Amino acid sequence: RKEVEQDPGPFNVPEGATVAFNCTYSNSASQSFFWYRQDCRKEPKLLMSVYSSGNEDGRFTAQLNRASQYISLLIRDSKLSDSATYLCAVGGATNKLIFGTGTLLAVQP
Amino acid sequence: EAQVTQNPRYLITVTGKKLTVTCSQNMNHEYMSWYRQDPGLGLRQIYYSMNVEVTDKGDVPEGYKVSRKEKRNFPLILESPSPNQTSLYFCASSPFGGGYEQYFGPGTRLTVT
Repeated sequence: RKEVEQDPGPFNVPEGATVAFNCTYSNSASQSFFWYRQDCRKEPKLLMSVYSSGNEDGRFTAQLNRASQYISLLIRDSKLSDSATYLCAVGGATNKLIFGTGTLLAVQP
Repeated sequence: EAQVTQNPRYLITVTGKKLTVTCSQNMNHEYMSWYRQDPGLGLRQIYYSMNVEVTDKGDVPEGYKVSRKEKRNFPLILESPSPNQTSLYFCASSPFGGGYEQYFGPGTRLTVT
């Protein structure tokens, strides 16, 4: 079993839709959680950290479920510019971040 | 501007010809790391460094070397590149350590023929 798993997608959604991604992790001692956005052939960019209480940044909401060992990212009112690959990253249990392989989102007009 | 820079951005080389990919950060981060990204395999850590003169192997260190003589620089060295090292390489740094948010350079696309 992979340490961090994501549905690779693609998720094809119309503009304005709400879309949610999940990411599961296997190490229950993990302490830090992040969502990154990666555009094609470019560097991953930190989108948001994920806190135990959940957090929101504009149209983006991240949540952590420790009991079931997953994090989620919700995007409301999808824009064409949201099309990208979304990577989750989990860390803190060891001195490294473990990345998922990413979920591809394609927002269509 | 706070950033991680890498050079070169694109490189085509031949098997066995030694090369170095430079990485520099201007954020005074102690932690730096190198990753390779391949389709279907995601980001895999090659080497990391907790501080100057402190380096350690990641998950896929074979065929690579690193050094950390200064805080800002963390070059990746391929002594004898092989075609299976064709990949997209990212350098990253973190203010808090390896298990926390990391900030990535723009990437180096390497092709070894």
